[in-house]
Amino acid sequence: GAVVSQHPSWVICKSGTSVKIECRSLDFQATTMFWYRQFPKQSLMLMATSNEGSKATYEQGVEKDKFLINHASLTLSTLTVTSAHPEDSSFYICSATLAGGQAEQYFGPGTRLTVT
Amino acid sequence: KQEVTQIPAALSVPEGENLVLNCSFTDSAIYNLQWFRQDPGKGLTSLLLIQSSQREQTSGRLNASLDKSSGRSTLYIAASQPGDSATYLCAVKEGGATNKLIFGTGTLLAVQP
Repeated sequence: GAVVSQHPSWVICKSGTSVKIECRSLDFQATTMFWYRQFPKQSLMLMATSNEGSKATYEQGVEKDKFLINHASLTLSTLTVTSAHPEDSSFYICSATLAGGQAEQYFGPGTRLTVT
Repeated sequence: KQEVTQIPAALSVPEGENLVLNCSFTDSAIYNLQWFRQDPGKGLTSLLLIQSSQREQTSGRLNASLDKSSGRSTLYIAASQPGDSATYLCAVKEGGATNKLIFGTGTLLAVQP
């Protein structure tokens, strides 16, 4: 149980275009989902926290107009990278929790984004 | 601001050796601490989760300890195998209702056959 999927697993896009990454909780309803990014050989950095039906909370330094997060249902959150640039190339990982508070996070397999 | 550091950054050991990975955090007001494994280009696999009130957790050849007052945790791997080669990350969950995980810098482990 507690499986989280991401789609696509990897994507290549041209500079200036937008790309959408999906995060789904397959066998549970996720009140809260988190988005992280990971640069090569570095650790995970939290980008934003999203709660179903409300606006995402972004971490300091993360551009909310560039990284659009939508959590429209209890099983799906999307991250859209708008007007992508090569410096946005990274590994994006989502996680989901059963409930708020201190519930354990379950992680997706990640999405590799390459912007050319 | 919570900062999580892992030492060493990289470690290479021969197969069969016991090893210890270290994790330190600056703010002891944590809710729990979790150890993860990450294979290259993959997501995270949760290994062990220690609640703030606990001292250690064990799973198979893995044992994780937590000393909250000193801001330290260790992951002990017994009888290492080449399949243990991966990056190991520790993460602390902050207290309160935020549910945020703060990740350490990671230790890249290579177990030589």
